[in-house]
Amino acid sequence: AQKITQTQPGMFVQEKEAVTLDCTYDTSDQSYGLFWYKQPSSGEMIFLIYQGSYDEQNATEGRYSLNFQKARKSANLVISASQLGDSAMYFCAMREGTSGGYNKLIFGAGTRLAVHP
Amino acid sequence: DADVTQTPRNRITKTGKRIMLECSQTKGHDRMYWYRQDPGLGLRLIYYSFDVKDINKGEISDGYSVSRQAQAKFSLSLESAIPNQTALYFCATRSGDDTGELFFGEGSRLTVL
Repeated sequence: AQKITQTQPGMFVQEKEAVTLDCTYDTSDQSYGLFWYKQPSSGEMIFLIYQGSYDEQNATEGRYSLNFQKARKSANLVISASQLGDSAMYFCAMREGTSGGYNKLIFGAGTRLAVHP
Repeated sequence: DADVTQTPRNRITKTGKRIMLECSQTKGHDRMYWYRQDPGLGLRLIYYSFDVKDINKGEISDGYSVSRQAQAKFSLSLESAIPNQTALYFCATRSGDDTGELFFGEGSRLTVL
């Protein structure tokens, strides 16, 4: 069965510094996708970044990058130049199979990030 | 208007009552999901549907039922609510295109007294 593990219940970082949020996954599928979502205190779920299992380059979206280490089954989120607005809950998620398939996304328990001025 | 709409957004009810949470979407996606969020547990999948004739149980389906009334509508019911079903519930949709990311509703906060 697929599984997502986020080992950091809480993290804090100084404004303008970089922070890494850890995510490890377990799957026997060769084709899968990895996602990061942000949940601010207002509660909505915001998609941040995606990495496909066959993507050779690490995904980047603005200040977000995904450090994908396939052999170690890790998909860590790196936020550069943290801002106060980055304070939120962050969830790692995985989809087994291709994006065109009929499959589910499983989420980790989340990491709460606090950015200090 | 939001692409994925959940009603009600907040509900307080009593133990034993029947509750329905509704979800409708305008994205034209065929895949729809219900998740439950509890502190420290992340989002756990309750039910998911790939078509009006296709319903699948997720990790925590006991105590819940669903109905896919149309491609755009997917409802979650608690037949007899209990206090440990107090949680934030999310509906989500996705297409089979691109990354296949989930698009979430704004959430329904349910409190069972």
